[in-house]
Amino acid sequence: SQKIEQNSEALNIQEGKTATLTCNYTNYSPAYLQWYRQDPGRGPVFLLLIRENEKEKRKERLKVTFDTTLKQSLFHITASQPADSATYLCALDRKDSSYKLIFGSGTRLLVRP
Amino acid sequence: DTEVTQTPKHLVMGMTNKKSLKCEQHMGHRAMYWYKQKAKKPPELMFVYSYEKLSINESVPSRFSPECPNSSLLNLHLHALQPEDSALYLCASSLRPSGTSTDTQYFGPGTRLTVL
Repeated sequence: SQKIEQNSEALNIQEGKTATLTCNYTNYSPAYLQWYRQDPGRGPVFLLLIRENEKEKRKERLKVTFDTTLKQSLFHITASQPADSATYLCALDRKDSSYKLIFGSGTRLLVRP
Repeated sequence: DTEVTQTPKHLVMGMTNKKSLKCEQHMGHRAMYWYKQKAKKPPELMFVYSYEKLSINESVPSRFSPECPNSSLLNLHLHALQPEDSALYLCASSLRPSGTSTDTQYFGPGTRLTVL
């Protein structure tokens, strides 16, 4: 069955460092992958989308990579700030099925001042 | 206006009550979604409306009844819920519902539902 895995343990880093979050998937053929940020008790907020034929996407301090061979996406936040502390969710569509967005369980990021 | 609004923010109901959750967007999006999210879990898709018609029902129990009165509004009618239905209910919208769409989803802030 299809599975999306994100580090369940929280990532705790010092302000100014680069945070790297991982999203792995199995038994999927996604056309694209998205990253969302979710704060406690709030809805997810879209951050970046990367298509299967793209290797890397950047937006300000954010960078996403997508390796369809490894079935993995990495999400980087450079020069991290305490305000970046949140849960980050990856989400994949399924190009071999009807349009649905399937979310990973998320990784909680804590940036210490 | 790039916002999805949801009301109420919090709802406490008994197992015999009937209540409704409301969602609204004015971005001209033609796909609207209901998700359920339990603590420390990812959002789980419940329903998808495409051009005001129900296109996906993820085998949701009939005690949850969705309704899309027009392209801007989405309701979720609740009846005879169980305590395990307590969760954050999220509404989302996207520009187009399509198997090849790469449209992102815009989420509302959610309704925190507690069933006693």
